[in-house]
Amino acid sequence: AQSVTQPDIHITVSEGASLELRCNYSYGATPYLFWYVQSPGQGLQLLLKYFSGDTLVQGIKGFEAEFKRSQSSFNLRKPSVHWSDAAEYFCAVVGPMTTDSWGKLQFGAGTQVVVTP
Amino acid sequence: GAVVSQHPSRVICKSGTSVKIECRSLDFQATTMFWYRQFPKQSLMLMATSNEGSKATYEQGVEKDKFLINHASLTLSTLTVTSAHPEDSSFYICSARDLRTLFPHGYGYTFGSGTRLTVV
Repeated sequence: AQSVTQPDIHITVSEGASLELRCNYSYGATPYLFWYVQSPGQGLQLLLKYFSGDTLVQGIKGFEAEFKRSQSSFNLRKPSVHWSDAAEYFCAVVGPMTTDSWGKLQFGAGTQVVVTP
Repeated sequence: GAVVSQHPSRVICKSGTSVKIECRSLDFQATTMFWYRQFPKQSLMLMATSNEGSKATYEQGVEKDKFLINHASLTLSTLTVTSAHPEDSSFYICSARDLRTLFPHGYGYTFGSGTRLTVV
């Protein structure tokens, strides 16, 4: 079955430290990949997305993500976190056009990031 | 950039009444809109996909008679929770797909800010 997994439910990181959030997918072909951030009681904001090409994707707010086909992963990173980065982060995928899941965003369970002083 | 306006942001209603949530794309035409439900500290679950001018497609397990979706124009989709009950209390989020946005297949999904529904 097609799925997207975020293994870490909760991550605590010190302000200024680096952050890496993991995302793995299981699809028959490479899906389109997204990272979103959600602040409490708010909608979702797109951080970055990957369709094809360069496997290292730069996003907003200093985030980047690397697509690794061999590992079916799309991990999100930030070199130095700020207190304002505390939020819920969701990895999402859209299946390729040749699949039944084309067009529908499927979300991972999310990772709650807490930033300590 | 693409903006989606969702109203109301919060609503409290009595059990048995109906509530309508609006989702508007402000600066683009959204031929497709998606409605999600999110329980506290959980992920977003797709409820239905609505295409302008046609009937919505509901995900398995979603009661189409309880969650009425109308997408009568290219900029407006509405979700009506009919005969609401406390178990319908949740955070509802809409998303509009913007076909103008970045390659290669217009996979721009813009989200509304969500509606917190509380049924008492």
